[in-house]
Amino acid sequence: GEDVEQSLFLSVREGDSSVINCTYTDSSSTYLYWYKQEPGAGLQLLTYIFSNMDMKQDQRLTVLLNKKDKHLSLRIADTQTGDSAIYFCAESPAGAGNNRKLIWGLGTSLAVNP
Amino acid sequence: DVKVTQSSRYLVKRTGEKVFLECVQDMDHENMFWYRQDPGLGLRLIYFSYDVKMKEKGDIPEGYSVSREKKERFSLILESASTNQTSMYLCASRPTGTYGYTFGSGTRLTVV
Repeated sequence: GEDVEQSLFLSVREGDSSVINCTYTDSSSTYLYWYKQEPGAGLQLLTYIFSNMDMKQDQRLTVLLNKKDKHLSLRIADTQTGDSAIYFCAESPAGAGNNRKLIWGLGTSLAVNP
Repeated sequence: DVKVTQSSRYLVKRTGEKVFLECVQDMDHENMFWYRQDPGLGLRLIYFSYDVKMKEKGDIPEGYSVSREKKERFSLILESASTNQTSMYLCASRPTGTYGYTFGSGTRLTVV
């Protein structure tokens, strides 16, 4: 079935780059997403990538997509303490009736140490 | 600024009470969703709606029902609250197509 996997924890030093990884199983997925959740808050869409792209850059964020390996990564350059949050990977399956739902990973908790 | 608004940030209810969680969006989105979020379990879909008066069960609908009488409002109902329904509840909306969700701030429900 459909599944999205992420490592649960990542710890980095302030100023370093963070790389959060995600693997998914549905090769028909059209869009893949990264969401950020700060403590006690809802989820905020950070960025997304269309499945025919390899890379997308948006300021400090770089998304890399390897469709062959079904691997998605989010790189945060110059990580700041304000980047401490849970980061969720999600895919949008292309099957009929499925385009309304996203499949979610469990989230990676990023801790940024001063 | 577009918004999904959940009526309460924190709620404390007693076991057996009927609980209503309200969600309103101002983006004219067709699709609305209710999730619960628990540590170690991620986001689990309870119900979703793709049109007014339409609803579909998600992965964990037991003990819940929903109502969507107007496009902008999607209500989650706990018919008889139980302690295992203590959780963070997140509402989201999404236009038809492949764009991402917009989430509300969440309602942390405690059932005692």
